[in-house]
Amino acid sequence: AIQMTQSPSSLSASVGDRVTITCRASQDIRNDLGWYQRKPGKAPNLLIYAASSLQSGVPSRFSGSGSGTDFTLTITSLQPEDFATYYCLQDYGYPRTFGQGTRVEIK
Amino acid sequence: EVQLVESGGGLAQPGGSLRLSCAASGFTLSNYWIHWVRLAPGKGLEWVANINQGGNKKNYGDPVMGRFTISRDNAKNSVSLQMNSLRAEDTALYYCVRDFNPSHSTRYYDAFDIWGPGTMVTVSS
Repeated sequence: AIQMTQSPSSLSASVGDRVTITCRASQDIRNDLGWYQRKPGKAPNLLIYAASSLQSGVPSRFSGSGSGTDFTLTITSLQPEDFATYYCLQDYGYPRTFGQGTRVEIK
Repeated sequence: EVQLVESGGGLAQPGGSLRLSCAASGFTLSNYWIHWVRLAPGKGLEWVANINQGGNKKNYGDPVMGRFTISRDNAKNSVSLQMNSLRAEDTALYYCVRDFNPSHSTRYYDAFDIWGPGTMVTVSS
């Protein structure tokens, strides 16, 4: 199975900060990667698919980049509603695999 | 309103079985791949299984292979997950998820755009 390693596992940031989360695949997965946000008590929400395509309705402060093995999710100006846990998911091969998650907390 | 709603969760004994169902409303389920994803207490998201539009392509995560079976009834706009030989480590919130499979050029991608609220499965004696 393809292993997805996210870093950091958690971070503390302030409103207005620029936040970067990385995801590394154990093999080349082209650009077959999505990013999801999950808040406590709620179902996850799709942010990015195909590594860099912004899902409809998602604020433009979210962006994704990368291809091959290294990927990045960037939030340009963190808002109060962005404090959540973020996951990457590879869809290059089966089984699909998520990263372990990155918890974004308020500093 | 476009939504998915899971049912069938509950308490099961180790070695027992449960059948989860996922009902769709507001859209035609037969047009989409459907996945199951789970979230164990204190852990991260884990992909469980998926099924294609016609029901003839199915894939499973390693921990559930041979124990879980995904199926669909497009006439009833529903998907099911039959879970046998349950283990304590199967305890989780199970989400049914729609994949709208966007395409760029000739390639298709996963994109889980609609999630149900989840149904809780607890495996314990």
